[in-house]
Amino acid sequence: GIQVEQSPPDLILQEGANSTLRCNFSDSVNNLQWFHQNPWGQLINLFYIPSGTKQNGRLSATTVATERYSLLYISSSQTTDSGVYFCAVARLRETGTASKLTFGTGTRLQVTL
Amino acid sequence: DSGVTQTPKHLITATGQRVTLRCSPRSGDLSVYWYQQSLDQGLQFLIQYYNGEERAKGNILERFSAQQFPDLHSELNLSSLELGDSALYFCASSVFGYAQGDTIYFGEGSWLTVV
Repeated sequence: GIQVEQSPPDLILQEGANSTLRCNFSDSVNNLQWFHQNPWGQLINLFYIPSGTKQNGRLSATTVATERYSLLYISSSQTTDSGVYFCAVARLRETGTASKLTFGTGTRLQVTL
Repeated sequence: DSGVTQTPKHLITATGQRVTLRCSPRSGDLSVYWYQQSLDQGLQFLIQYYNGEERAKGNILERFSAQQFPDLHSELNLSSLELGDSALYFCASSVFGYAQGDTIYFGEGSWLTVV
């Protein structure tokens, strides 16, 4: 199956700092989503971004599908940004269907005062 | 709020018992996915239903089963529970039957503790 690698595995930032999280995947994908899992366990959709660039407030994401990676940028980080960030992808199988997201192992972010 | 509703939020049960987790998808979504998140295995896909029919199956144990009802809600049944089944179980939903090109939204999860 498709492999999804995220880096760094852990990240500690001071409030106000910027960061870049990376997601590499091993095959062509037709779906790529970034999620934030907060300390209470909720998985929150950040972006649906199989290609291109999107921005939402202090967060932005870029996926370069031809090179099989995606980046999540967090600017002016806040303590509420703490949690685990997951990248998840879906690959088009030979039969023409793709019915599951495969998750990376995540980047654990801690933002301190 | 993603619009995906899961109940119960927390559940503690004994080994050997059976539990049922319930999921209501977002309004208009026809697909339901179940995922298991444990400390050592990460987020693992279990099974997907689309409009009442099983669409894809992942690493779901034989002790586990699921179904999607005509009103599109879904239930995940876990039986003969073992300590290792303790995990956070997520339900997710999407409009179409394929993960391709379709944003998938997750519920808040059901925390299962087996003692």
